[in-house]
Amino acid sequence: GQSLEQPSEVTAVEGAIVQINCTYQTSGFYGLSWYQQHDGGAPTFLSYNALDGLEETGRFSSFLSRSDSYGYLLLQELQMKDSASYFCAVISSGNTPLVFGKGTRLSVIA
Amino acid sequence: SAVISQKPSRDICQRGTSLTIQCQVDSQVTMMFWYRQQPGQSLTLIATANQGSEATYESGFVIDKFPISRPNLTFSTLTVSNMSPEDSSIYLCSVEKSEGMETQYFGPGTRLLVL
Repeated sequence: GQSLEQPSEVTAVEGAIVQINCTYQTSGFYGLSWYQQHDGGAPTFLSYNALDGLEETGRFSSFLSRSDSYGYLLLQELQMKDSASYFCAVISSGNTPLVFGKGTRLSVIA
Repeated sequence: SAVISQKPSRDICQRGTSLTIQCQVDSQVTMMFWYRQQPGQSLTLIATANQGSEATYESGFVIDKFPISRPNLTFSTLTVSNMSPEDSSIYLCSVEKSEGMETQYFGPGTRLLVL
């Protein structure tokens, strides 16, 4: 089976940096993806890590440590529009669909 | 990327009835999936819709309850059969494009309320 753990809620101040952690237990591992979902919206792809290390895409970065079964999403220069739910998702092999974590609800406050 | 539409966007149904949700993609895709999401909760995969063969269901989901069609590479339907209030949820279709399974594109979802 597969399980993913991430905090249920995080609150951060506008302009600050926030890190959302994700630990996973899977029978196989291919990579870790991150998705953003605004209230009432569809999930949208943010980033993907298959190898250890940091991937940077603008204000968002994602990190993976395969040996620790751990990853995180780093959001910098937080903006109010970043208030959303963030899901980590595991791919256990090249042709299996994503398995999502329970999501972290990020609230950005002024 | 992919542009995905779903119909209906929302519906209110009586228990015991069935609802068919349509998913249309703007380009041909190999893989299409159906997810369920309770408000404020995670996404749970119902099944993979295979073109030309039966859908592949995840544990806890069965074909009699959630029949799926995939007549071509741009279209799929999910039927929620014999509905009960526990089926009230958001149903999303998603597709995997050439970038790989890590990048799935989601439709806007169908909000279903069963009374």
